[in-house]
Amino acid sequence: EPEVTQTPSHQVTQMGQEVILRCVPISNHLYFYWYRQILGQKVEFLVSFYNNEISEKSEIFDDQFSVERPDGSNFTLKIRSTKLEDSAMYFCASTLGLAGSNEQFFGPGTRLTVL
Amino acid sequence: DAKTTQPPSMDCAEGRAANLPCNHSTISGNEYVYWYRQIHSQGPQYIIHGLKNNETNEMASLIITEDRKSSTLILPHATLRDTAVYYCIVRAAYNNDMRFGAGTRLTVKP
Repeated sequence: EPEVTQTPSHQVTQMGQEVILRCVPISNHLYFYWYRQILGQKVEFLVSFYNNEISEKSEIFDDQFSVERPDGSNFTLKIRSTKLEDSAMYFCASTLGLAGSNEQFFGPGTRLTVL
Repeated sequence: DAKTTQPPSMDCAEGRAANLPCNHSTISGNEYVYWYRQIHSQGPQYIIHGLKNNETNEMASLIITEDRKSSTLILPHATLRDTAVYYCIVRAAYNNDMRFGAGTRLTVKP
């Protein structure tokens, strides 16, 4: 069964450093998402991406964040200058279409630890 | 998207049916009810979704009341591996994101 994959599974970085989290969505999916979950808190929407541009973003997704689909398979989340509060699990998701009957499939997540 | 209300926690005996309720009294006509679960810190896992009719798949059944103001997720024979946080999400057609609440922490006990 096709699945969303994410790398790395765990990333440790120093405050102020740039990190890139990578995702490979399901191959025929068209809409891509990033969510985050701070330890012990709920899953929060960050951004959605379609047709090579951001279609929606939350207030969390500020200028420190950017997303890109550099080729036909990868979907990346970049945090330019990490802060301690960016420590969280980051989940990538994809869906075939936006119609209400289409479910989002989530990857296993990347645990980001900012020291 | 309409707001949902779920109990914070529930217990269920292994092998018995787990019935997880969700209230969504402000749901509108084009909003679907989705259920996801999250086992430990893994990625949310899709379970089932529906609009008006009851739905069943290999994982669970979804019962939606006739007025659509509430629903129940049924795991027919809960196992220890079903211990997870279960999220009920109401999402409008053509909305971009899933809005997760706190969910129900289901503990399946031997």
